[in-house]
Amino acid sequence: DQQVKQNSPSLSVQEGRISILNCDYTNSMFDYFLWYKKYPAEGPTFLISISSIKDKNEDGRFTVFLNKSAKHLSLHIVPSQPGDSAVYFCAALNSGGSNYKLTFGKGTLLTVNP
Amino acid sequence: ETGVTQSPTHLIKTRGQQVTLRCSSQSGHNTVSWYQQALGQGPQFIFQYYREEENGRGNFPPRFSGLQFPNYSSELNVNALELDDSALYLCASSQGQGGSYNSPLHFGNGTRLTVT
Repeated sequence: DQQVKQNSPSLSVQEGRISILNCDYTNSMFDYFLWYKKYPAEGPTFLISISSIKDKNEDGRFTVFLNKSAKHLSLHIVPSQPGDSAVYFCAALNSGGSNYKLTFGKGTLLTVNP
Repeated sequence: ETGVTQSPTHLIKTRGQQVTLRCSSQSGHNTVSWYQQALGQGPQFIFQYYREEENGRGNFPPRFSGLQFPNYSSELNVNALELDDSALYLCASSQGQGGSYNSPLHFGNGTRLTVT
């Protein structure tokens, strides 16, 4: 049972345009959400996070939006750069849980074309 | 600042054997988590250690076990290896028992385990 779903396995955009990566979750106990980026042969790298008390968090070119009623979040990258090409994982956390585990989606492969 | 390092990078084992994977935490971090990433999947939580004690476990059988040492380095042991154990094993460290809530997890590059 996938509690965090990234329904697009891949996304291709042109350099300079906006990349929008989507994520849906089913567990209403999740209250903290993170995005990780992963290059081949490297571990995931933390990108940006958002608490459920917010609906938007921005860090430079990266913005995460959270729609709690729809159990949906999205990551916007503007403008997209070729170096952004990587697999992006959405992850969720129940901060009231006892073991602080992250539940990850399957990832979306972003390709930014020059 | 030294990041999370894992060894070995690649490993091939035979079904039924035992394996030990090692992880050195990022300096200043006292919590270690282990994740399994199968091909085409996202990382799945195995367990977390804080101050040398397991303080959380995912849906993995007891043949998956771990240790955390006083210097906060960690080991993941898997007994009676099965073909489905073939995966990338990721170690992540963080500061504080809050784990990823108080500070994001910092991942190592992983150990690629192949079971034949």
